[in-house]
Amino acid sequence: QKEVEQDPGPLSVPEGAIVSLNCTYSNSAFQYFMWYRQYSRKGPELLMYTYSSGNKEDGRFTAQVDKSSKYISLFIRDSQPSDSATYLCAMLLQGAQKLVFGQGTRLTINP
Amino acid sequence: DAGVTQSPTHLIKTRGQHVTLRCSPISGHKSVSWYQQVLGQGPQFIFQYYEKEERGRGNFPDRFSARQFPNYSSELNVNALLLGDSALYLCASSLRTGGSAQYEQYFGPGTRLTVT
Repeated sequence: QKEVEQDPGPLSVPEGAIVSLNCTYSNSAFQYFMWYRQYSRKGPELLMYTYSSGNKEDGRFTAQVDKSSKYISLFIRDSQPSDSATYLCAMLLQGAQKLVFGQGTRLTINP
Repeated sequence: DAGVTQSPTHLIKTRGQHVTLRCSPISGHKSVSWYQQVLGQGPQFIFQYYEKEERGRGNFPDRFSARQFPNYSSELNVNALLLGDSALYLCASSLRTGGSAQYEQYFGPGTRLTVT
């Protein structure tokens, strides 16, 4: 079983739709939860991070962490074609040296 | 301000050869991490260096090695290349290692290595 599971998609939605991206994890010791966006042939770009449980909002993006269910989500409101990319969840143990990534979900927003 | 830079952009090597990949972190960043991203997968942690010392190592064979220089740039070396080493190699820099700052990893564009 992988430490972090993420549905690879692909996911295709119309412009303006609300997008929900999700990851589950098995290690209850993870404390930091991140979402990265990766455009084709580019490096990952940090979108949002959350420490422990709770919600965090930044513009059209909302990140949620439910530690009791070992489940994290990223919501994108009013999705735009420029949001088309692969979205990677990543997690970190307190004091650890490595990010543990999910497989990535490939998202396409259709105009 | 320049981001993380990596060279070369692309590389084609033959099985059994050796390769050296280079990374320059963001100015002021002292920690560099290396990740391998196989097509269709998330990045896998290889190494982290901070202040020229290895601070973490992932589950990769000894054919993989790295080092960090006094100017905080870094090299990743891979010996005896295998077909399975074909991947995007990503370098990430951060201000320091461990603790809450660790999440602030900024990735470079990567080096795409193809082994034939």
